Amino acid sequence: DQQVKQNSPSLSVQEGRISILNCDYTNSMFDYFLWYKKYPAEGPTFLISISSIKDKNEDGRFTVFLNKSAKHLSLHIVPSQPGDSAVYFCAASGRNNAGNMLTFGGGTRLMVKP
Amino acid sequence: KAGVTQTPRYLIKTRGQQVTLSCSPISGHRSVSWYQQTPGQGLQFLFEYFSETQRNKGNFPGRFSGRQFSNSRSEMNVSTLELGDSALYLCASSPDGHSYEQYFGPGTRLTVT
Repeated sequence: DQQVKQNSPSLSVQEGRISILNCDYTNSMFDYFLWYKKYPAEGPTFLISISSIKDKNEDGRFTVFLNKSAKHLSLHIVPSQPGDSAVYFCAASGRNNAGNMLTFGGGTRLMVKP
Repeated sequence: KAGVTQTPRYLIKTRGQQVTLSCSPISGHRSVSWYQQTPGQGLQFLFEYFSETQRNKGNFPGRFSGRQFSNSRSEMNVSTLELGDSALYLCASSPDGHSYEQYFGPGTRLTVT
């Protein structure tokens, strides 16, 4: 049972346009959400996070939106750049975790075309 | 600060053998987590250690084990290797027990033949 799902395995966007990556979750105990970016042969790199008490968090070109009633979050990248091409993972953590355990989605491969 | 380091980076083993992977967290970080990444299952949580104690464990068989030393370095061991254990094993560290953000190492690519 996948508690965190990224339904789009890949996304292709033109340079300068907006990239929107989506993520759905089922566990209502999740209260903190994160996005990671992963290049080949490297570990995931933390991008941005959001607590369940907020519905939006912004950091430069990256904005994460959280819709708790729909159990949905999205990552917006504006403007998209070729260097943003990577696999993006959303992850979640919850109050029922005794420590630092993240549940990851399956990832979305973003390709930004010049 | 140096990032999370993992050794070795690549490993080839035969079915039935055992393997030990090593992880050195970022200096000052006390929490170390391990994840398995496979094409079919994505990133799956194995276990987390904090102050030498296992705090969380994922849904993996007992062949997968780990430990953490007093300097926060961690090792994970897989015994009686199976073909399905071929994966990228990622280690992540966090400053303390309440930090959600985790910082990942480059991973160890294990191939079981």
